[in-house]
Amino acid sequence: GAVVSQHPSRVICKSGTSVKIECRSLDFQATTMFWYRQFPKKSLMLMATSNEGSKATYEQGVEKDKFLINHASLTLSTLTVTSAHPEDSSFYICSAPDHLQDRGYNYGYTFGSGTRLTVV
Amino acid sequence: LAKTTQPISMDSYEGQEVNITCSHNNIATNDYITWYQQFPSQGPRFIIQGYKTKVTNEVASLFIPADRKSSTLSLPRVSLSDTAVYYCLVGDGLTGGGNKLTFGTGTQLKVEL
Repeated sequence: GAVVSQHPSRVICKSGTSVKIECRSLDFQATTMFWYRQFPKKSLMLMATSNEGSKATYEQGVEKDKFLINHASLTLSTLTVTSAHPEDSSFYICSAPDHLQDRGYNYGYTFGSGTRLTVV
Repeated sequence: LAKTTQPISMDSYEGQEVNITCSHNNIATNDYITWYQQFPSQGPRFIIQGYKTKVTNEVASLFIPADRKSSTLSLPRVSLSDTAVYYCLVGDGLTGGGNKLTFGTGTQLKVEL
């Protein structure tokens, strides 16, 4: 089945530094990818939609200058948390549409394994 | 996107059947119902998807009544490893799967011995 590889799985950084998270679709092309943020014991919150070859679409309240998204190819999207602060500590997850047609379903979304970001 | 409502939590014991119901009163004609499972510190994992009636795969069954305003995920004979959060999502994938997913609160299932 479709696999989305997310790296790194966990990262600790100092306040003020930037952190890049990569999300790759390994065996399929993804013109669109989604980035989520999840706080402990909370649901996933959509941050932005990454579009290959064009600007990302951010959800209301998400700072586009702080969370830089680049979708340079059909298999790679990156999220860069710039000038990170402790309140940016969270679990970040990416996903890509996957039609799952080979399994008899209409459509689906494959998620990365997530990145635990801790800003100290 | 149709809003979904699920119980916040459920408890069960190993070997029992667990049924988690999700309400989606304003589901649209083109919407499919999809369930995901999430373990701590992992991304959600696709479980099952359906449009109407009943769907069964190797891990679960999905029951959808004729009016499609609700759905029930059935997990047969749960084990400790089924302890996770289960999300019900409703959306239209006919445009190629590019629609963003909006997650509700999910249901925290806890399975005990």
